[in-house]
Amino acid sequence: GQNIDQPTEMTATEGAIVQINCTYQTSGFNGLFWYQQHAGEAPTFLSYNVLDGLEEKGRFSSFLSRSKGYSYLLLKELQMKDSASYLCAVVDSNYQLIWGAGTKLIIKP
Amino acid sequence: IAGITQAPTSQILAAGRRMTLRCTQDMRHNAMYWYRQDLGLGLRLIHYSNTAGTTGKGEVPDGYSVSRANTDDFPLTLASAVPSQTSVYFCASSATSDWTDTQYFGPGTRLTVL
Repeated sequence: GQNIDQPTEMTATEGAIVQINCTYQTSGFNGLFWYQQHAGEAPTFLSYNVLDGLEEKGRFSSFLSRSKGYSYLLLKELQMKDSASYLCAVVDSNYQLIWGAGTKLIIKP
Repeated sequence: IAGITQAPTSQILAAGRRMTLRCTQDMRHNAMYWYRQDLGLGLRLIHYSNTAGTTGKGEVPDGYSVSRANTDDFPLTLASAVPSQTSVYFCASSATSDWTDTQYFGPGTRLTVL
C-alpha cells in the first residue's frame, strides 16, 4: 500500500532551526509537496520538489532524495507564527496526490 | 480578494438529513477538489473535477456526490448524512488538472453529524 510517514508532533524554540522529516512508500513518484496549515485554517503551499537536492526559499528549505524515499522541510530562525502543522504530500505514478497526516510544530519562546 | 470561498463555515446536522456544502472560486481554475480532514489522518480526496462538466471519484466517494455545472462552482452533497461524515471539509482548486500543480484551499467547513 501507499504510505507517508511524518512525526506527529515536534517542539522547538523560537530563533532555532528545526527539521521535519517525511518518508514515503508510494507506487512511483512524480513530485513532493509541503504545505503549512495553521490551526483552524486552510493548508497553504510551501514548496514542491521533483528533483533531488535542496531548494531554499527564505527561511524555509526543502530537501528531496528520491532513492531514499525521503524529504525534509528545514525551518530556520523560527518565529512564533511558524507554529502550525506541516503536511507532506506525494504525487504517485498514477498522478494521484497522497497526503501524510502532518506534523504539528510547537514553537516555545 | 481572489480565492476560494466555502459555505457554511460550520454546521451541525441530524443524521439522515441532506446537506450541500458550497464552494466557489474566482481564479478561473480548471480543476477543483473536495477533501475531508480527520484527526490523525491525511487529507482524503472525496471527488474531483478536471474541468467544468466532468467529475471523478477520489479515495472516499461513498455517501457524497458532486456536480460541476460551470468553472466557478463545485458543490458537495451528502444525500443522507451519517455520523462518520463528521469532519472538516476543504475545497481546493488548481489552474490545471495536472496533479503536480499547486492546489489552493478554501477555509473549510466544519460539519458535525449527530
